[in-house]
Amino acid sequence: DIQMTQSPSSLSASVGDRVTITCRASQGISNYLAWYQQKPGKVPKLLIYAASTLQSGVPSRFSGSGSGTDFTLTISSLQPEDVATYYCQKYNSAPFTFGPGTKVDIK
Amino acid sequence: QVQLQESGPGLVKPSETLSLTCTVSGGSISSYYWSWIRQPPGKGLEWIGYIYYSGSTNYNPSLKSRVTISVDTSKNQFSLKLSSVTAADTAVYYCAGLRIVGVIDYWGQGTLVTVSS
Repeated sequence: DIQMTQSPSSLSASVGDRVTITCRASQGISNYLAWYQQKPGKVPKLLIYAASTLQSGVPSRFSGSGSGTDFTLTISSLQPEDVATYYCQKYNSAPFTFGPGTKVDIK
Repeated sequence: QVQLQESGPGLVKPSETLSLTCTVSGGSISSYYWSWIRQPPGKGLEWIGYIYYSGSTNYNPSLKSRVTISVDTSKNQFSLKLSSVTAADTAVYYCAGLRIVGVIDYWGQGTLVTVSS
């Protein structure tokens, strides 16, 4: 099975900072990559699918890029409400494995 | 807007079968794929499997021998059964709806299932 890794596992940044999270697949998955945001105590929420397509209603400060094995999620200007754990997930074929998550908080 | 609600026992004894049902409202069960995902306390997300309204299924190989997902179109519900549970199966279980296979658009609120005697 394809394994998903994320880096860093956690980060702390200031409001307004540009934040980048990396997700790597152990084999190529084309652009079958989604990103989810899970705020503390809340249900996960879809942010991005097809590596770079923003889900309806998601703020434009979120963006995704990549293809093959390497992907990034970027928050262009970190806001207090972005404190959350972010998960990538591959869906080119089952099993639809999630990455281990990246916890983002405010410095 | 599709809404999902999990229901079922919050406590299951070791070696028994965990059974959960998800009720779908605000949309037709024949319009989406339906999935179960779980999250052990303080840990990450694990995809369990999905079903289409036709009954076709796909399960995580790590759980395949113990998992059954079924759908009842007449009730707009789908269900999860996980047999021979252990403490490692303690988790929040989410039901979910997918417009595209693998992409989770809609999430239930989640239900904590504890495996303990």
